[in-house]
Amino acid sequence: GAGVSQTPSNKVTEKGKYVELRCDPISGHTALYWYRQSLGQGPEFLIYFQGTGAADDSGLPNDRFFAVRPEGSVSTLKIQRTERGDSAVYLCASSLTPVMGEQYFGPGTRLTVT
Amino acid sequence: GQQLNQSPQSMFIQEGEDVSMNCTSSSIFNTWLWYKQDPGEGPVLLIALYKAGELTSNGRLTAQFGITRKDSFLNISASIPSDVGIYFCAGQLVGADGLTFGKGTHLIIQP
Repeated sequence: GAGVSQTPSNKVTEKGKYVELRCDPISGHTALYWYRQSLGQGPEFLIYFQGTGAADDSGLPNDRFFAVRPEGSVSTLKIQRTERGDSAVYLCASSLTPVMGEQYFGPGTRLTVT
Repeated sequence: GQQLNQSPQSMFIQEGEDVSMNCTSSSIFNTWLWYKQDPGEGPVLLIALYKAGELTSNGRLTAQFGITRKDSFLNISASIPSDVGIYFCAGQLVGADGLTFGKGTHLIIQP
């Protein structure tokens, strides 16, 4: 199990509901990133963790989005009061260090808000 | 937000042909990366470039970090059916943490 894993692989929720998406990074990787990918687009950066702290959350679209990484490993992306426009694939990536830039991606969670 | 201009948007080629795609930006990047994404999967890292002018190969793939640090290209030689997919360039701006991605090049190979 060497790669980044994400659960669930698919999530369908109703508008207004709360969802949590989980990411388990590669063991030993201190840097963790969340991205969002809309259909036909490249991934867009949301938030970056170095260890337990959110070092850069400049990509979060609004305050309905929040992410945590309490023990410096697994991370959870939380979306409150979901909207149809939140529908996308949410990708998680990790890297050994943030300096070198090599980020390894998980398979993503496809979120559909109905 | 910052955009990378990736071209072409799609390519229809014959098996065995060579492929070339590129990315340009108005901003300077300190790292360039090339990824391949298959349907329903996350992007898979192909090549990472760290220095202006650097030319790096990975099997049939070759990529270069432009001298101006504002562009990069990826070449695939002797394409095979499993090369089908979407190729993304990504760059890390100086001082940035996340990657900026292009919109992708959709490679389609006709047998």
